[in-house]
Amino acid sequence: DAEITQSPRHKITETGRQVTLACHQTWNHNNMFWYRQDLGHGLRLIHYSYGVQDTNKGEVSDGYSVSRSNTEDLPLTLESAASSQTSVYFCASSSGTQPNEQFFGPGTRLTVL
Amino acid sequence: AQSVTQPDIHITVSEGASLELRCNYSYGATPYLFWYVQSPGQGLQLLLKYFSGDTLVQGIKGFEAEFKRSQSSFNLRKPSVHWSDAAEYFCAVGAYESSDMRFGAGTRLTVKP
Repeated sequence: DAEITQSPRHKITETGRQVTLACHQTWNHNNMFWYRQDLGHGLRLIHYSYGVQDTNKGEVSDGYSVSRSNTEDLPLTLESAASSQTSVYFCASSSGTQPNEQFFGPGTRLTVL
Repeated sequence: AQSVTQPDIHITVSEGASLELRCNYSYGATPYLFWYVQSPGQGLQLLLKYFSGDTLVQGIKGFEAEFKRSQSSFNLRKPSVHWSDAAEYFCAVGAYESSDMRFGAGTRLTVKP
């Protein structure tokens, strides 16, 4: 069965360190998204990609970067982790060129000390 | 850009009672509308979606939602709530010109026995 996976599921890091969260999907979807979930804010879009070599900034992109070298993966990098980036991060993917059902990964809980 | 408001942060209903979760969107054209459910510690699962056509849409787990253009609303309903419906519910809106979407802050549903 097709799926979308995230790793690690939990991560504790220190302020200033670089962190990369992995996202891998086997749906063969063109579109991939990264969100962060914080109490009172719901899900906020960080970065998204519509295909290989395509990346776009979302609502809360400062301090984050992504790269898309293949269809299956969209890693999210925190260049210099800050305590404000403590959150739960979700990756999602979808097909098509218009809004469509997004399939979500299980999430990564990141704590920045 | 499109946006979503979920006015109720937390709702408590008794098992067997009816449920209505409110969602208001802001978008200049016909929106793409979604309701997702998130069980504790899990990713998001699509309940239902509206793109066009019949304004009353049926989803999984006995949920339905009605699109009302005049009120910019897409409220989620269920006639009889089960204890397993306790979860966080998110409304999302997408625009036809892109594949990304915006989520509301979520409504947490508690079900009393």
